[in-house]
Amino acid sequence: GQNIDQPTEMTATEGAIVQINCTYQTSGFNGLFWYQQHAGEAPTFLSYNVLDGLEEKGRFSSFLSRSKGYSYLLLKELQMKDSASYLCAVPDMDSNYQLIWGAGTKLIIKP
Amino acid sequence: DGGITQSPKYLFRKEGQNVTLSCEQNLNHDAMYWYRQDPGQGLRLIYYSQIVNDFQKGDIAEGYSVSREKKESFPLTVTSAQKNPTAFYLCASSDREDTEAFFGQGTRLTVV
Repeated sequence: GQNIDQPTEMTATEGAIVQINCTYQTSGFNGLFWYQQHAGEAPTFLSYNVLDGLEEKGRFSSFLSRSKGYSYLLLKELQMKDSASYLCAVPDMDSNYQLIWGAGTKLIIKP
Repeated sequence: DGGITQSPKYLFRKEGQNVTLSCEQNLNHDAMYWYRQDPGQGLRLIYYSQIVNDFQKGDIAEGYSVSREKKESFPLTVTSAQKNPTAFYLCASSDREDTEAFFGQGTRLTVV
């Protein structure tokens, strides 16, 4: 079946680096999305990986390994405003490519 | 400015009443989606539409209905048949299934 796993919660210190992992099992693969969601707000797009490797976008980077069914989001120079939930999602090729969402990782930043 | 608008942000309804949540986009996107989010869970797809006058059930469509009469609009009705309607509802749109989705601000529905 289709499944996505993320840690439920992580804590990190302001100015530090944190890595949020996501593993997935799907019948096919057509890319992986990362979104950020602040409490009570809508998700906002962070990245989309379709090829293996690391993609860097400012303080945020996203990595993908298709052979391992694994991705991570790397956040550098953490700021208090990075406190949010981080959701990974993959298209379900058995269901017209509709997105399957992980439950999200709640990231808590401490001073 | 282009975007996707949901209204209202907060909604209270009595048990047994139907309620319609509005979603409008001016991004010229073909695909639109309705998700439900409960605490500690990922987004769950209620309905989606890839083109005007066509829509498909998602994983949790029971107790909900939608229409897609215009490209810009995709309203969701939460009917009295929905057993546990209190939740955070998110509308989204995208150009295609494999491109980023843009979300509305969400509607927090509370049924009392």
